[in-house]
This record gives sequence, C-alpha cells and structure tokens, in this order.
Amino acid sequence: AQSVAQPEDQVNVAEGNPLTVKCTYSVSGNPYLFWYVQYPNRGLQFLLKYITGDNLVKGSYGFEAEFNKSQTSFHLKKPSALVSDSALYFCAVRGHTDKLIFGTGTRLQVFP
Amino acid sequence: DTAVSQTPKYLVTQMGNDKSIKCEQNLGHDTMYWYKQDSKKFLKIMFSYNNKELIINETVPNRFSPKSPDKAHLNLHINSLELGDSAVYFCASSQGQAGGYTFGSGTRLTVV
Repeated sequence: AQSVAQPEDQVNVAEGNPLTVKCTYSVSGNPYLFWYVQYPNRGLQFLLKYITGDNLVKGSYGFEAEFNKSQTSFHLKKPSALVSDSALYFCAVRGHTDKLIFGTGTRLQVFP
Repeated sequence: DTAVSQTPKYLVTQMGNDKSIKCEQNLGHDTMYWYKQDSKKFLKIMFSYNNKELIINETVPNRFSPKSPDKAHLNLHINSLELGDSAVYFCASSQGQAGGYTFGSGTRLTVV
C-alpha cells in the first residue's frame, strides 16, 4: 500500500534562513513524488515533482526537493525563506495505482 | 481561463438536504478526481473517473454519487446530507501516470 509521512505538524523558521519540510514515503515500484502548497482558503498549488532522473528537482517559488531512494525520503527545501512562504505544505506519492496519496501536511511558519 | 473550476465555492445547507457540486476542467485531461479535506486538513481521495468511467471508489457512503457526463466534467451529488459531511471538497484532474494533479479552488460545504 502507498503511504506518505510528514513527521512535523509545524515548522518554524526565521525569514532568510534555509527551510526543510520532511517527507518519507512507502510505495511498491517506482514512486512518483509531489509537493503541493495550500494557502489559507485556497486550493492546492503544484510546487514540484520527481518522476525519474536527477535526484534534486527544482520547482516553483525557489523551492527544491531531494529524492533519496535509500531513505525513501523526498524533503522539500528552500535556501532562504520568505514570510510569504508561510502556508500548508503537502507531500504526495503516486505508485502503480492511479491514486495520489497525500501526507497529513506540515504548516510552515516563517517569522520576520 | 481557470483550468479546473468548481461551483459553488461555498455551500451552506441543512441536514437531510440533497446538494450537488459541479466541476469542469479545460486542460484536456483524461482523469478527474474528488478529494475531501476535513477540518484537520487531511486530504482523502473519494472518486476517480477516467474518460467518464469510474476507476476509483474509496470507502465513501453511497449517499455520495459522482457523475461524469463527459471527460471534462465530474459532478458530485450528495443525498441526505449529514453534519459530518461538512468539509472542503476539491476537484482535480490529471493526465498520465506521471502527471501532477491540477486542483480546483474547492467547495466549502457546511451542513447545519
């Protein structure tokens, strides 16, 4: 069965500092991995995805994520956080089924 | 043009009523989905249609009935609404196994 774990309910970071939002996954076969962001009272916006190839994928708004097969992780990173990055972040995995399974979400709070 | 559009954005109704939420996508995607986001922000897939054919039906009460008149539309009808149905319902579409999902902006359903 597919599953995604986001171990942190909330991540706090000061503006200008690097941020990491953690994600681990479990899936049979090759995973398709995604990050989405949800701003208050809005839908989910696609940030980036890993399908194959380079383990470091770059996405929207300066975010990037590193796929680590041995650790079954796909952590989201940004070198310098902005206050406007404060939102709810979801990791998701899609295996051999058509279902996109989401993690429980991590609230990112960036303080000025 | 909005890629995935849902109507209505807000829906407040009494217990026992029947209501529908409409979804349309203009991306030419073959697959459409309904997700439910509860008060804790957990996202759970409900249904998936591929080219008007139901392919995923999670453990959802049969009061919920999706209908796809064509591959660009996926509507959700809910009979005999209950308090526990209060949530935000997201429509999404995708193309191919590696395609990310494009989400609508959500319908906030409140049952009173």
